[in-house]
Amino acid sequence: EIVLTQSPGTLSLSPGERATLSCRASQSVGKNYLAWFQQKPGQAPRLLIFDASSRATGIPDRFTGSGSGTNFTLTISRLEPEDFAVFYCQQYATSPRTFGRGTKLEMK
Amino acid sequence: EVQLVESGGGLIQPGGSLRLSCAASGFTLSGHSMSWVRQAPGQAPECVAHISNTNGVMYDADAVKGRFTISRDDAKNSLYLQMNSLRVEDTAVYYCARGAGTGAWLVDNWGQGTLVTVSS
Repeated sequence: EIVLTQSPGTLSLSPGERATLSCRASQSVGKNYLAWFQQKPGQAPRLLIFDASSRATGIPDRFTGSGSGTNFTLTISRLEPEDFAVFYCQQYATSPRTFGRGTKLEMK
Repeated sequence: EVQLVESGGGLIQPGGSLRLSCAASGFTLSGHSMSWVRQAPGQAPECVAHISNTNGVMYDADAVKGRFTISRDDAKNSLYLQMNSLRVEDTAVYYCARGAGTGAWLVDNWGQGTLVTVSS
């Protein structure tokens, strides 16, 4: 099983600032099949990024995914008030598909 | 607009059974794989099961193998999860999620979920 470790656990930033979220895999993620999801309280997760760096439909270009192999990053260039949420990375290359434990992005 | 609406959750005693349903609309179900993903309170999501558009199945979680069965009825635009021998640790919100159609096990759209509570 591929274990995904996300850091930091919590990130406190202000609107307008840049956010950098990390996801490290215990082994290489084949074909860079790595996704990022955003989840707000009481809502289902929303797909932001797939295949490590492709934006899902309707996702603003301030969200950027990068990385390969075992190290992946989600960058939010300028935070908007609606961006504050919990972010999860997920690998879908190998069964079982696994999620990281999440990074909570909170407003400072 | 893609819509996925889950139903069938509720309070059930350990050892009991439930059948979850997911009604799909806004897209052609037969063209997509589908998954069930669950999320226990305060925890990260956990993939449970996947079914391809040709009825190939995969169970992500070892803990559900032999107890849960995923199935689909494209004529009814529906996805199902039969859950038997339920345990306290199966308590979670269960989401139905659509396969992204990329050929991989990626999901894109999710329903709003149905809560399953296993407790005596």
